[in-house]
Amino acid sequence: KAGVTQTPRYLIKTRGQQVTLSCSPISGHRSVSWYQQTPGQGLQFLFEYFSETQRNKGNFPGRFSGRQFSNSRSEMNVSTLELGDSALYLCASTQTEGISCVFGQGTRLTVV
Amino acid sequence: AQTVTQSQPEMSVQEAETVTLSCTYDTSESDYYLFWYKQPPSRQMILVIRQEAYKQQNATENRFSVNFQKAAKSFSLKISDSQLGDAAMYFCAYRSAGYGGSQGNLIFGKGTKLSVKP
Repeated sequence: KAGVTQTPRYLIKTRGQQVTLSCSPISGHRSVSWYQQTPGQGLQFLFEYFSETQRNKGNFPGRFSGRQFSNSRSEMNVSTLELGDSALYLCASTQTEGISCVFGQGTRLTVV
Repeated sequence: AQTVTQSQPEMSVQEAETVTLSCTYDTSESDYYLFWYKQPPSRQMILVIRQEAYKQQNATENRFSVNFQKAAKSFSLKISDSQLGDAAMYFCAYRSAGYGGSQGNLIFGKGTKLSVKP
């Protein structure tokens, strides 16, 4: 059974650009959550999607957005990149009514 | 708002010995889940163990066990017979039971870096 797949694994972008990250959940998992991990702030919740609907959102500016497709794959987008957006972005998927989530290997975003 | 605190930024243990990582949390909810995740240098977060708050019995997974003290809001992780492969960052996390609401909103502590000495 394939795990949670995040692409790309590494990304370097210039300040002011935008970026799109992708997450394919485990087959059958309909809930996808995104987290940002930085040395200073630790792991912070970005948003959660279930059946193509955003179910919950963390405290991040509107430059951070996401969506989920009918096959449960999810994308997150960050517009007008800032240096502080450099982080490891982790995606996790959960079964419907599941308790534990399974994480992908993350996308390391560097903004220069 | 719920918070999770890990007071030990770094810990060290000798191979084959036992180590305990501490975690405290703050919540006004009565139903929730607690987790310990391991993040090795490969970066992937791996679930080590979970505890349902309504269960009084402490969870155990092979060499890993927890000491869940609901009244004290404490959730420590004990690793027995430590192995070199246990070296990693360990994160304590909290999630509301969320009936009808969010299921994926984990609140993490800052982490404890565990080193294992051969």
